[in-house]
Amino acid sequence: QKEVEQNSGPLSVPEGAIASLNCTYSDRGSQSFFWYRQYSGKSPELIMSIYSNGDKEDGRFTAQLNKASQYVSLLIRDSQPSDSATYLCAVNEAGNMLTFGGGTRLMVKP
Amino acid sequence: GAVVSQHPSWVICKSGTSVKIECRSLDFQATTMFWYRQFPKQSLMLMATSNEGSKATYEQGVEKDKFLINHASLTLSTLTVTSAHPEDSSFYICSARVIWPYEQYFGPGTRLTVT
Repeated sequence: QKEVEQNSGPLSVPEGAIASLNCTYSDRGSQSFFWYRQYSGKSPELIMSIYSNGDKEDGRFTAQLNKASQYVSLLIRDSQPSDSATYLCAVNEAGNMLTFGGGTRLMVKP
Repeated sequence: GAVVSQHPSWVICKSGTSVKIECRSLDFQATTMFWYRQFPKQSLMLMATSNEGSKATYEQGVEKDKFLINHASLTLSTLTVTSAHPEDSSFYICSARVIWPYEQYFGPGTRLTVT
């Protein structure tokens, strides 16, 4: 069974700090990796996608992928209180449905 | 990013009635759409995968006769909750998948309350 694991948190960081969110997955055939942000009472919003090993940066967000270690992470620089949300890691193999992790709750304290 | 709409955003219905929820991909065609349910403080739960022009594939434990899914076009999928009961009260979210690179975009969700 394909699994995606995340620490449920909460991960608490002070405003302005770097938040580091981690995710491991079990299926070595996985090819696409995504990070979603979900605010309480809202639906998930896609914020990052990554397909090859290494880093991918978009504004304050950096996604990191290491397929050998089956590990994907999301770094949020200069964290803001508005970044407080649950972050979902999602993984899929080509053509298949996404497998979601349970999510990590991030709290950014002013 | 691609835009997915959902209607209605919230609905209150009486026990025993049926409710239809629409999911539309506004700026792209989606051969595959997904329906999820989420209870408070819990993870997303995939209910079914909807493929345009064919029958939906339901996850284990999801009653296909209770949750009717129709994907009649490349931009529209509907979920009908039949004979709703209070335990069906939940947050229902659809998503649509771009053909490549398989990114999935979520609608804003529909909050269903059955009284």
